Amino acid sequence: GEQVEQRPPHLSVREGDSAVITCTYTDPNSYYFFWYKQEPGASLQLLMKVFSSTEINEGQGFTVLLNKKDKRLSLNLTAAHPGDSAAYFCAVSDTNAYKVIFGKGTHLHVLP
Amino acid sequence: EAAVTQSPRNKVAVTGGKVTLSCNQTNNHNNMYWYRQDTGHGLRLIHYSYGAGSTEKGDIPDGYKASRPSQENFSLILELATPSQTSVYFCASGDWTGGSAETLYFGSGTRLTVL
Repeated sequence: GEQVEQRPPHLSVREGDSAVITCTYTDPNSYYFFWYKQEPGASLQLLMKVFSSTEINEGQGFTVLLNKKDKRLSLNLTAAHPGDSAAYFCAVSDTNAYKVIFGKGTHLHVLP
Repeated sequence: EAAVTQSPRNKVAVTGGKVTLSCNQTNNHNNMYWYRQDTGHGLRLIHYSYGAGSTEKGDIPDGYKASRPSQENFSLILELATPSQTSVYFCASGDWTGGSAETLYFGSGTRLTVL
């Protein structure tokens, strides 16, 4: 079955610096890709989702890149601020799966 | 806005006791899920459901049962709780209807401690 590996497990950056979180997956049929954010003591909230037909998706202050050849998904924060401190989880599913497979998470700490 | 409500928020149980975690969603989503979250493991799927009356095993179903009596409600049942089931449990509902990505809407979690 699908396996998702997420790196790094912990990441500390200074305010204004960039931060990159990467996930690799194994199933070539994977089609939908997600990033969820979990603030301390809170639940998970969808940050962004990417379809296999798109490779770049941008939000406010971050970019999601999908490299289908290398089966790699990355979340790039361009200028981190303390409010970005949270756990981030990637998730992957195929076109017919009810199950979404999560990475183990990255705890991002943005220092002021 | 999507709403998934879990109860209780915190629970302390004794080894061998029965525990029921409840989840209610007002999204009218067909799919519901139970995950547990542990340090070093991320989220792992325990059980899920396609709709009222259905339950399916996820990746780590041993020691857990699930019940979906209605579209809105999905329960996770630990018949004989063990300390290894100490964890944070998240319920989620999903809006997948085929042909598009499913976004999961999570509840606030239940912190279960089994002594």
